[in-house]
Amino acid sequence: EAGVAQSPRYKIIEKRQSVAFWCNPISGHATLYWYQQILGQGPKLLIQFQNNGVVDDSQLPKDRFSAERLKGVDSTLKIQPAKLEDSAVYLCASSLSVNLATNEKLFFGSGTQLSVL
Amino acid sequence: QQQVKQSPQSLIVQKGGISIINCAYENTAFDYFPWYQQFPGKGPALLIAIRPDVSEKKEGRFTISFNKSAKQFSLHIMDSQPGDSATYFCAASENSGAGSYQLTFGKGTKLSVIP
Repeated sequence: EAGVAQSPRYKIIEKRQSVAFWCNPISGHATLYWYQQILGQGPKLLIQFQNNGVVDDSQLPKDRFSAERLKGVDSTLKIQPAKLEDSAVYLCASSLSVNLATNEKLFFGSGTQLSVL
Repeated sequence: QQQVKQSPQSLIVQKGGISIINCAYENTAFDYFPWYQQFPGKGPALLIAIRPDVSEKKEGRFTISFNKSAKQFSLHIMDSQPGDSATYFCAASENSGAGSYQLTFGKGTKLSVIP
């Protein structure tokens, strides 16, 4: 079974530039998540989608971050403009759960490591 | 505000020894407690999980102990192997409303198992 695919694997940009990350979840997984993992910390949820609708984006810095999940499959996360503190690994995860009763069986991608200089 | 406190930050264990990682929480609304294992360059992977109505869960060499009254839970790795060297995250889940369950992660413990 194919896992969660993410690209690019690494990205280096200068502050104030824009960047986009792509995620393809496991086939059939209705729920998709974007997490931010700063070095030395645990992942922090940025946004959660159920199919192509947003369930929770309370921790997404909406002045600079945006995300979409067109057609309920692939998703992109964008940062514009980037700040130094955005340097982190951006992890995409998906789960099969349709009724959102639980999200414990999250499957994570390998992430995109972003460095903002 | 750190809702899940994890310790130690790093741990070195001899091969064959027992690795113990502890987590504590304050939010009594948490109702699910998974542990994730993360290797360098990879995303976290679910290792084992427990619900608060159970005090212990064992899967192979991995055991979760849960103390609801103390609001603490721990991961025990028996017969630790070099292949277990990774970063371990505890997490806790609650219903944040509208059917959305959020995972809150601890800061992680970097485990090194030396031969």
